[in-house]
Amino acid sequence: AQKITQTQPGMFVQEKEAVTLDCTYDTSDQSYGLFWYKQPSSGEMIFLIYQGSYDEQNATEGRYSLNFQKARKSANLVISASQLGDSAMYFCAMNSGGSNYKLTFGKGTLLTVNP
Amino acid sequence: DADVTQTPRNRITKTGKRIMLECSQTKGHDRMYWYRQDPGLGLRLIYYSFDVKDINKGEISDGYSVSRQAQAKFSLSLESAIPNQTALYFCATSPLGTAERGHDTQYFGPGTRLTVL
Repeated sequence: AQKITQTQPGMFVQEKEAVTLDCTYDTSDQSYGLFWYKQPSSGEMIFLIYQGSYDEQNATEGRYSLNFQKARKSANLVISASQLGDSAMYFCAMNSGGSNYKLTFGKGTLLTVNP
Repeated sequence: DADVTQTPRNRITKTGKRIMLECSQTKGHDRMYWYRQDPGLGLRLIYYSFDVKDINKGEISDGYSVSRQAQAKFSLSLESAIPNQTALYFCATSPLGTAERGHDTQYFGPGTRLTVL
């Protein structure tokens, strides 16, 4: 079974600063994918970044990077130069193995960016 | 135009009514999914479909049914709605691929807010 744990229900950051959102995962599969999604107050789910279990380099997408530490089973999201528009709920998710249909989500972290 | 659309965006209904939520996609993806989101619980998978002839139950399928009318259309029905089905419902799509190559990233529609009174 897969499990995603996000231990920070809420986080605050000052505009223009960097912030790290924590995510740990548990799976017995060797092949898996890790994802981060953003959900603003309007409700839509926006795909941010993906990391494959066999990727040797950390994924980056603009101001988003994923700090992947395989031995620790962590996949933290780093947002650089925070903007007011980054205020949202952030979900970590994973799928694994041959049955990669099932995306398992964490419970989310609510990020608030202060001016 | 949005790649994944859901209709309606908001719906209020009464206990016992039949409700259909519709999802259409222009991404050309083979796989489609229905999730529900409840406060504090994240997203949970209701049904998923790998193609028109392949439909599978997710972790919380009781009380729901689905129909894959075409590659681009996947609808979710609540045969007899009950109040604890009040939630935000998402449709998602993904291409056929493997976890290693990231081709199975799921892309979500805007969601449907359903309230059952």
